[in-house]
Amino acid sequence: GAGVSQSPSNKVTEKGKDVELRCDPISGHTALYWYRQSLGQGLEFLIYFQGNSAPDKSGLPSDRFSAERTGGSVSTLTIQRTQQEDSAVYLCASSPSRGRETQYFGPGTRLLVL
Amino acid sequence: QQQVKQSPQSLIVQKGGIPIINCAYENTAFDYFPWYQQFPGKGPALLIAIRPDVSEKKEGRFTISFNKSAKQFSLHIMDSQPGDSATYFCAASKTGTASKLTFGTGTRLQVTL
Repeated sequence: GAGVSQSPSNKVTEKGKDVELRCDPISGHTALYWYRQSLGQGLEFLIYFQGNSAPDKSGLPSDRFSAERTGGSVSTLTIQRTQQEDSAVYLCASSPSRGRETQYFGPGTRLLVL
Repeated sequence: QQQVKQSPQSLIVQKGGIPIINCAYENTAFDYFPWYQQFPGKGPALLIAIRPDVSEKKEGRFTISFNKSAKQFSLHIMDSQPGDSATYFCAASKTGTASKLTFGTGTRLQVTL
């Protein structure tokens, strides 16, 4: 079946511009996560959505970062006024429900801020 | 604060060797410890996971060893193959925190012929 998809796969932008990254989770998965992977670093948790509950935004690094999830499915991560330090791979994952079930990752969006 | 420390950063072994990757955690509330495998250009994929009620878990050529008192766990790859060349991440999470994973910094494994 279809896995988690993300778009675009690559994004190059200029410092100060806004970017939107999209995630399509596996159909039926209620939990959705965003992580950031910087060069040579592990994955850093950003935000978590579970059903209709308020999202857990505890990992967002600044107020320039925001995310929404429409209709309990597709999610968009927005970075406003991008900075060079925002350059990273942004990964989305979904899982069937809250708990310790496997998180299924998408291929990521590689963001380069010039 | 890095809650999960992973070593080594990189590892080269010959085909058939047994690479060992180690992780140590600080938060005693963690109760789920997965390992993820990531190939270039791909997202991480779950390889194997363990919970602290057991000291060892095997799945095929992959084994997790878990030492609760030392707050350490490790991944062993038996009879390693060139196709195992990838980056491996350990992670940890605790019940009730929406399963958000805290990852180690990764180990780049190269298996040579």
